[in-house]
Formats: sequence, structure tokens, C-alpha cells
Amino acid sequence: DAGVIQSPRHEVTEMGQEVTLRCKPISGHDYLFWYRQTMMRGLELLIYFNNNVPIDDSGMPEDRFSAKMPNASFSTLKIQPSEPRDSAVYFCASSFLGTNQPQHFGDGTRLSIL
Amino acid sequence: AQSVTQLGSHVSVSEGALVLLRCNYSSSVPPYLFWYVQYPNQGLQLLLKYTSAATLVKGINGFEAEFKKSETSFHLTKPSAHMSDAAEYFCAVSEDTGFQKLVFGTGTRLLVSP
Repeated sequence: DAGVIQSPRHEVTEMGQEVTLRCKPISGHDYLFWYRQTMMRGLELLIYFNNNVPIDDSGMPEDRFSAKMPNASFSTLKIQPSEPRDSAVYFCASSFLGTNQPQHFGDGTRLSIL
Repeated sequence: AQSVTQLGSHVSVSEGALVLLRCNYSSSVPPYLFWYVQYPNQGLQLLLKYTSAATLVKGINGFEAEFKKSETSFHLTKPSAHMSDAAEYFCAVSEDTGFQKLVFGTGTRLLVSP
């Protein structure tokens, strides 16, 4: 079975550029989550969706960050303009409905902003 | 609000020795608890989960965890460490409140020496 698929795996870009990260959740999952992982702050939940609708975006650092889920099989996380402090590994995860359901993670996008 | 505390950012063991990774949780309602493992350059993978069916939970790769309500603990153990167990381990908690969010601990890096 295909897991959560993220692209690109690595992204290096210059400060000020727009960055778009992509995620394909596991088919049939009801929830999609975006996380950011850094050495300093650990794993942070940025936003999550239920049936393509954003439920909680309180973790989004600032207005430069935006996320969309136009359909059940695709989501994007966009940073515009990007800054060096955005450098991190960004993970997408998905799960079935139910707080006893585990989240399934993609392999992440390693983002470096120069 | 729920939270988890992982004692020890690093744990070192010799190959063949017992592995014990500690996790304590705080929750106002019966929790659901998870252990995840993260290998280098990969996403988080589910090791095991506790959902109140049994207090001793067996997971993949020979790991198990015991839920102890009196101690608010969910420690992860493996009788005999293998070199391939070297990774970062995360404990996470969710609550049956309708909010589909996991709260992660800060992680414990397991180092296995020959």
C-alpha cells in the first residue's frame, strides 16, 4: 500500500523566494496534518484538515505560511516570502477519523533557505 | 490539556542489553498513547499504540510498552537491543475529546554500541 507521499524530498532556495511543499495522503484517510521539525523546537503541528477543511491553523507561524487542500488526495504548504529561519524538515501525515487512530507520516521535505 | 514528558534526550545501551525509554503523560481523561520511531532522513513510524484494550502492548521489532495509570507512565522496552534499533523515539498522547491532535514528547535518541 502506498504511504503518505511528499515532494520534493529536498528543497534549497534563496531567501525571499516562494516555496511550495506537496503532500498526497493515504487514500481514504479523513485527516491531514502538516508538521515542522527543527532541532530547537522539535516537532510542531502547523495545521490540520478534516475532509479537506482546515480545522486548526493555530500553529502556523505567521502570514507568510499558507496551506490548502483542494481535494482529498492533495495538499500544499506554501511559504511566501521564505526566510532562513524557515529552514526545517516539514512532514505531512494522515489518519482515519478517531483520536485512537495513529497518524501515518511521509518521509518529509528538507527545506533549506539560504 | 494533555502533555507527555520523555526523560532523557539520549539513552545509550550495548547491543544485547535491555532498552528502557521513559514516557510520562498528563491527561484529564483516559488517554490514547503512541510510540513512534524515526530513523535518519525518514518520517515517524508507528511502533505501538495503547487504546485501553490491554495494559501491555506489543509492537513491531520486538518492542512493547506497559500502561500504568497509577504512575501515569507508558515506558517503552525491548529485552535485547540490536544495532538497527538506533533511532529517535517519540511518545505521543491524544484524548477522546473530539480534537484529532497528537501531542508529542521531545524525543529520546537511542544509541546502540557494539
